[in-house]
Amino acid sequence: GAGVSQSPSNKVTEKGKDVELRCDPISGHTALYWYRQSLGQGLEFLIYFQGNSAPDKSGLPSDRFSAERTGGSVSTLTIQRTQQEDSAVYLCASSLLTGTTSTDTQYFGPGTRLTVL
Amino acid sequence: GEDVEQSLFLSVREGDSSVINCTYTDSSSTYLYWYKQEPGAGLQLLTYIFSNMDMKQDQRLTVLLNKKDKHLSLRIADTQTGDSAIYFCAEKNDYKLSFGAGTTVTVRA
Repeated sequence: GAGVSQSPSNKVTEKGKDVELRCDPISGHTALYWYRQSLGQGLEFLIYFQGNSAPDKSGLPSDRFSAERTGGSVSTLTIQRTQQEDSAVYLCASSLLTGTTSTDTQYFGPGTRLTVL
Repeated sequence: GEDVEQSLFLSVREGDSSVINCTYTDSSSTYLYWYKQEPGAGLQLLTYIFSNMDMKQDQRLTVLLNKKDKHLSLRIADTQTGDSAIYFCAEKNDYKLSFGAGTTVTVRA
């Protein structure tokens, strides 16, 4: 596809269940980012993948959150034992290179809206 | 993000100019961005400015940067109904973007 895609677009789950959110970055983009958009916290950085380098996981809020990126392309964000405070929109972005220059724009997907009951 | 602040709401009449303000705290930020988010959609990059610039104009959009006061603004000329959205300012350090809470712009006829 031409842009970043995410699935599912909406996910409703019960407290305590595990969820997996998927991100397909733009083809050829080496860097991939996850952000979370929630009412109380705004937009927060979660994790960054760049090529074969070790990911920057500094934004993950707890050890219930994990992410992987297989084959340098698709990424999955997993939340174990979901809590109500995990309810948010999870946004994925990708950029062509490392993301450190102005012209290395981060392109965002439409997000996955997660609701934990 | 706690380091980037924006007013939450702006109402503007169609055809008037909109000005959205933002303050940031990290003086080492190299690039500052404006993103637009329409309902149900992701973030769309509108424009960006390098920290050593004072102004950047791109069609109807004008970005002003006061580095001394760490103040950034986005002016939208001739505001249209399609400009109704949430606008986020963001600062970038290395590869991380830190966002403000977003300003909801409502365009009234």
